[in-house]
Amino acid sequence: EAGVTQSPTHLIKTRGQQVTLRCSPISGHTSVYWYQQALGLGLQFLLWYDEGEERNRGNFPPRFSGRQFPNYSSELNVNALELEDSALYLCASSSRTRTDTQYFGPGTRLTVL
Amino acid sequence: AQKVTQAQTEISVVEKEDVTLDCVYETRDTTYYLFWYKQPPSGELVFLIRRNSFDEQNEISGRYSWNFQKSTSSFNFTITASQVVDSAVYFCALGGGYQKVTFGIGTKLQVIP
Repeated sequence: EAGVTQSPTHLIKTRGQQVTLRCSPISGHTSVYWYQQALGLGLQFLLWYDEGEERNRGNFPPRFSGRQFPNYSSELNVNALELEDSALYLCASSSRTRTDTQYFGPGTRLTVL
Repeated sequence: AQKVTQAQTEISVVEKEDVTLDCVYETRDTTYYLFWYKQPPSGELVFLIRRNSFDEQNEISGRYSWNFQKSTSSFNFTITASQVVDSAVYFCALGGGYQKVTFGIGTKLQVIP
């Protein structure tokens, strides 16, 4: 069974630019979660999508947004990039029957210059 | 508010030594879940265990064991006879309502050959 996949693996952007990160959940999983792992800050919850709807959101500004598609894949968009957005962005998914357990993808490392 | 404390930021052990990673949590929820994840240098978070708040049984899986004590709000993780491949960052996490998972800061384990 394929795990959670994310693309791209690495990304370099400059301040003010916009970026889109992509995530495909494990087959059969309907929920997708996004986390930011910045240096020294640990994992911070960003967003939770389930059945195409945003269900919960962490303490991040509105320039962090996303969506979930009918096939349950998801995109995370970050507008007006700032230096402190440099981080590893992790996507996770969970199944409808086991919503409490999240399985993570390999992450996208974003560097903002 | 939920909080997970991993007081040990870095631990170094010599191969074949046993090592315990501490995790203390805070929550007001009566039903919650506790997790341990492993993050090797590749970056991908690997799910190790999930324990719900009603199940205080300790668990052993090969060289890994977990000690859940509700009375002290702790969920400690022990690796017996550590190996170099165990070198990674280990995260303890707490899941409560609305699918929001709170992660600890992580403990970096280095196993020296």
